[in-house]
Amino acid sequence: EPEVTQTPSHQVTQMGQEVILRCVPISNHLYFYWYRQILGQKVEFLVSFYNNEISEKSEIFDDQFSVERPDGSNFTLKIRSTKLEDSAMYFCASRGQAPGNTIYFGEGSWLTVV
Amino acid sequence: QKEVEQDPGPLSVPEGAIVSLNCTYSNSAFQYFMWYRQYSRKGPELLMYTYSSGNKEDGRFTAQVDKSSKYISLFIRDSQPSDSATYLCAMSAANFGNEKLTFGTGTRLTSIP
Repeated sequence: EPEVTQTPSHQVTQMGQEVILRCVPISNHLYFYWYRQILGQKVEFLVSFYNNEISEKSEIFDDQFSVERPDGSNFTLKIRSTKLEDSAMYFCASRGQAPGNTIYFGEGSWLTVV
Repeated sequence: QKEVEQDPGPLSVPEGAIVSLNCTYSNSAFQYFMWYRQYSRKGPELLMYTYSSGNKEDGRFTAQVDKSSKYISLFIRDSQPSDSATYLCAMSAANFGNEKLTFGTGTRLTSIP
């Protein structure tokens, strides 16, 4: 079964450092997302991406965050200068184009900022 | 009032029991409803996806949507230890591609052998 893959599975970084989280969405999907889940809290929407541009972003997704689809397969989330409160599980997700399709999630990248 | 409310549990049931998980929502624009299962430190795994009010069954799982009451349920029959996980309800206002999902907080379920 096709799946969304994410790397790294776990990253520890120092506050103020830049982090790039990588994702390979399901191959024929056209809509891409990042969500995050702070430990013990609910899954929260960060950003959606379609046709090489951001479709929608939440208030969490401030200027420190950016997304990119650098080639035909990868989708990345960059955090420019990490803060302690960025520590969370970050989930990449993707969706096909056909009506009725829903969103499939990757296994997540656990980011710890120290 | 939160957009999506879900009893966080935890919920412990004996193996073989019927489990009922519920969410309420306040946003009338929500039209699409999903249930995800999440094991510890893993990504949400889609279980059920529904659009219209009524019931949808898949194996031991039944999803129920009542749009008039803004209430959705997931029933698990003959619960198994492998069902032990956190169950997340999620919903969206549109299904034309770039819609976002709004999640409940999740209900932690333990099915005890």
